[in-house]
Amino acid sequence: SAVISQKPSRDICQRGTSLTIQCQVDSQVTMMFWYRQQPGQSLTLIATANQGSEATYESGFVIDKFPISRPNLTFSTLTVSNMSPEDSSIYLCSVDGGTNTGELFFGEGSRLTVL
Amino acid sequence: AQTVTQSQPEMSVQEAETVTLSCTYDTSESNYYLFWYKQPPSRQMILVIRQEAYKQQNATENRFSVNFQKAAKSFSLKISDSQLGDTAMYFCAFMKHAGKSTFGDGTTLTVKP
Repeated sequence: SAVISQKPSRDICQRGTSLTIQCQVDSQVTMMFWYRQQPGQSLTLIATANQGSEATYESGFVIDKFPISRPNLTFSTLTVSNMSPEDSSIYLCSVDGGTNTGELFFGEGSRLTVL
Repeated sequence: AQTVTQSQPEMSVQEAETVTLSCTYDTSESNYYLFWYKQPPSRQMILVIRQEAYKQQNATENRFSVNFQKAAKSFSLKISDSQLGDTAMYFCAFMKHAGKSTFGDGTTLTVKP
């Protein structure tokens, strides 16, 4: 299993600003994933954060809007840039269980509200 | 691309009763994994049960079991002896490649005393 801590847990932001979300894992993991959960909706994968290389973004998500860092095997950040009200969501950090089960472990999420 | 459909946005069940949540998916893959995740009101998502597509036997975890129909691309979750702590949003998920899971829209389950 993996214990994942995210900061901030919630924030209220002004339109046009940027916010960086931190994700810390209690063990070394190869891949970390960032998901977005819009209000009342499902989870959508934003990108895979790879240590030592650039993140891999899913269709509809771009690096300029969601830059990701992965400086080591236990930490990653996601920045939401130039925010608009449409970016109001819960952003979830996730890691693979590492046991070839495919299970994902999730942080508690960061709830962002953009005014 | 894979899609996952949960046709029941909301469900309710009396405590100690049994409830079944539906999930269908669409894929051209033959090997994959299916999951049910639970997201309680506190928000942290946890795994309930998983199924490998190559296994014909339905997975079971205590009070939770699945009915996996590969040909029909159906993957329902049965919760027996429902408890108040089962109140949560339940997501069905499909995974072919590590970490890249596709989630359904979720079913909000309320267990009533």
